[in-house]
Amino acid sequence: DQQVKQNSPSLSVQEGRISILNCDYTNSMFDYFLWYKKYPAEGPTFLISISSIKDKNEDGRFTVFLNKSAKHLSLHIVPSQPGDSAVYFCAYGGQNFVFGPGTRLSVLP
Amino acid sequence: EAGVAQSPRYKIIEKRQSVAFWCNPISGHATLYWYQQILGQGPKLLIQFQNNGVVDDSQLPKDRFSAERLKGVDSTLKIQPAKLEDSAVYLCASSLRQGWGGYTFGSGTRLTVV
Repeated sequence: DQQVKQNSPSLSVQEGRISILNCDYTNSMFDYFLWYKKYPAEGPTFLISISSIKDKNEDGRFTVFLNKSAKHLSLHIVPSQPGDSAVYFCAYGGQNFVFGPGTRLSVLP
Repeated sequence: EAGVAQSPRYKIIEKRQSVAFWCNPISGHATLYWYQQILGQGPKLLIQFQNNGVVDDSQLPKDRFSAERLKGVDSTLKIQPAKLEDSAVYLCASSLRQGWGGYTFGSGTRLTVV
């Protein structure tokens, strides 16, 4: 029973354009939604979070949007840079967190 | 600030053998997690400690996996006996407090069971 879905296993975007990564969840009981970024041979790195009481949070080039009625979370990266190429995991939870399967983003120069 | 340290980085064992992983969290982080990441999947929580007490081990296969966190600092995760399906990256993470998902992860231990 997968509670977090990232339906796009991969995404390619041109440098300077917007990257949009999507995530759908099934359980509405949790407090926080998160995005992590992972480079090969490294552990995931926390990127940005959003509380369940908000619908948007921005941090520099990264913006997370939460649509609670649709149970949908998205991460926008503007402008995309080659260094953003990584696997992105969404996660949600309260006491601990459930991770999605990840989306591999490739930003092409 | 030093990160979360894990060792070894890689381990290859035969099925039915035993293996242990070690984690040293960030100093002062009371909450420690072990996650299992199978290739192509997201990390899955195995066990969560708050100081040296277990908060959640509902997804830990207790017939073969065990974990401890002595003195509320370092932690070890053991598998005995290993199965082929245990091949994965085992990630340790720590955070200042429960309920905050901004974990700091270690680089993980890649286990291959042959």
